[in-house]
Amino acid sequence: QVRVQESGPGLVRPSGTLSLTCTVSGDSISNDIWWTWVRQPPGKGLEWIGEIHHRKGTFYTPTLRSRVTLTVDKYTNQFSLNLNSVTAADTAVYYCVKGGDWRFGPWGQGTLVTVSS
Amino acid sequence: QTVVTQEPSLTVSPGGTVTLTCASSIGPVTSAYYTNWLQQKPGQAPRPLIYSTNDKYSWTPARFSGSLLGVRAALTLSGVQPEDEAEYFCMLYYSGAQPHWVFGGGTKLTVL
Repeated sequence: QVRVQESGPGLVRPSGTLSLTCTVSGDSISNDIWWTWVRQPPGKGLEWIGEIHHRKGTFYTPTLRSRVTLTVDKYTNQFSLNLNSVTAADTAVYYCVKGGDWRFGPWGQGTLVTVSS
Repeated sequence: QTVVTQEPSLTVSPGGTVTLTCASSIGPVTSAYYTNWLQQKPGQAPRPLIYSTNDKYSWTPARFSGSLLGVRAALTLSGVQPEDEAEYFCMLYYSGAQPHWVFGGGTKLTVL
């Protein structure tokens, strides 16, 4: 059974960098899979952030492309999200998701990241 | 910037049928958008229901079905159950030089 789990700081200072890691179990980060990040501001809808494939590269949402970087680590079977120059608008629950074959799942439970001084 | 539009809210009676739709600001939604539908209940992570317009996951109840309806994608619930009360999000794939996915704003479905 594939599982994904987010981890990282719950509080980030404005103008700083938000860094999250997703640990994958039950599957290999090096398989033909698009590893995905989605976020949800409190009380609002979902936003697709981007996806990464260990061999095919990365794609990002146009609105965040200048600030976001996704990476994979084959040795730890993890993938990561870095979002720089954060503001209060980046406060959200961040989800990591297994993607590929035009489907999305499983989802992690999500982690709340608050941007505040 | 591409906008994906859903009905903000809908109400349905138990046992009834309801259709949620998903529209793209740049034109008709076709099978090339690989529409996904997800259900989210308060305090929970989204749960995928439909992918590639009308394909179901092993856990998707038979009463949920996806389709294309005119220029939109649609999610139809037939024989609605009280536990179907939730928010539903569609997700469309935009191909091109910088492919990306876009979520709709969500539809809050009330079973009353």
